[in-house]
Amino acid sequence: AQKVTQAQTEISVVEKEDVTLDCVYETRDTTYYLFWYKQPPSGELVFLIRRNSFDEQNEISGRYSWNFQKSTSSFNFTITASQVVDSAVYFCALRPSNTGKLIFGQGTTLQVKP
Amino acid sequence: DTEVTQTPKHLVMGMTNKKSLKCEQHMGHRAMYWYKQKAKKPPELMFVYSYEKLSINESVPSRFSPECPNSSLLNLHLHALQPEDSALYLCASSQGGQGVGYTFGSGTRLTVV
Repeated sequence: AQKVTQAQTEISVVEKEDVTLDCVYETRDTTYYLFWYKQPPSGELVFLIRRNSFDEQNEISGRYSWNFQKSTSSFNFTITASQVVDSAVYFCALRPSNTGKLIFGQGTTLQVKP
Repeated sequence: DTEVTQTPKHLVMGMTNKKSLKCEQHMGHRAMYWYKQKAKKPPELMFVYSYEKLSINESVPSRFSPECPNSSLLNLHLHALQPEDSALYLCASSQGGQGVGYTFGSGTRLTVV
């Protein structure tokens, strides 16, 4: 079965705190792709990162960082020094190699309070 | 141009109406998608077009009818919808099989009355 689990439904932090959003996936494919998207209240899905299954190198982009561990089937996302503008719903998604379909987790709603 | 453009942004329609949602991209992507997103839920795939041919239909009711007139344009024709079809409809495109450049539009928020 192909599945993505985001166990944290809602997270609330105070501005400048660090926050980690968890993502665990299930797939039997050896080649697959993992994504993170941000969905602000306006509704559009904003692409944050894509990782293929052969690239376990962690990535940092400004205040964002991602930790991909195949051994635990996890692809966690950390925001350092959170800001109010980071408030949104964040989705982790899995794309199996043989299909164009994105399988989304249930999403984590992040609220950053001033 | 790195955008997927969806029109209209908002649509209210009666259950007997016929309407269409439009999606356009000029990134040269050869795969295009329709997703449906209910409130507080993740997007769910409806249709996939690959090289202008329908490749995936996720058992969507026939009152939703997709159309891909050319490689840049994707339509979703709506007819005899139900109030439970009210949702955010998202279009996306990608370069093809590798998940590269998977880009979403800002969506059409549909209300069926």
